[in-house]
Amino acid sequence: QFVLTQSPSASASLGASVKLTCTLSSGHSNYAVAWHQKQPERGPRFLMKVNNDGSHKKGDGVPDRFSGSSSGAERYLTISGLQSEDEADYYCQTWSVDLLWVFGGGTKLTVL
Amino acid sequence: EGQLLESGGALVHPGGSLRLSCAASEFTLSGYALSWVRQAPGKGLEWVTTISPSGRSYYAESVKGRFAISRDNSKNSMSVEMTSLTVEDTAVYYCARVFEKWLVQDAFAMWGQGTAVTVAS
Repeated sequence: QFVLTQSPSASASLGASVKLTCTLSSGHSNYAVAWHQKQPERGPRFLMKVNNDGSHKKGDGVPDRFSGSSSGAERYLTISGLQSEDEADYYCQTWSVDLLWVFGGGTKLTVL
Repeated sequence: EGQLLESGGALVHPGGSLRLSCAASEFTLSGYALSWVRQAPGKGLEWVTTISPSGRSYYAESVKGRFAISRDNSKNSMSVEMTSLTVEDTAVYYCARVFEKWLVQDAFAMWGQGTAVTVAS
């Protein structure tokens, strides 16, 4: 069964950087993923698509301190210069003809 | 850039039906695959259903046979008819549009604010 694996939680200090990881299950290491930010009582926000070569396309208005990268079956979202408003749940998502659309379990980011 | 706006969420009894709608403003939905994604209380995001630009529909196993997605390009809107609702369908439902026109399998790149569906007796 295909899964996208994310750590349930992460934390980092205000102004620091944090790297969130999304791991594609075996046999799907070349898939692109998208990263979404979900804050309470708000709709999700698309942050970017990250391809297997590390290239990424951001959504409109996403600050430069959000970046994406890739290594093997892992896709990363790095947030630099953490701000209090970055405290949120972060979900990765992938898609394909066979998988349709799949979300990871999400990572709850706490800004200390 | 435009936005998506959902409507139709309500409290409904188990076994009941509900229709959710999603309207677009400041851009045209035609040419984009459109989806519904839900988040149950305390849970993560779950893909529910998608309709392609040509009208082909896709469903998660959990809703297959009970939900029906449709689109009306002339009204710049999309809907999902939900029947035989159970407590497990309780969630906030979000409509979403993919990143690129004419792609079906793609990232969800625009989201609405959500509409709440509560199934309870």
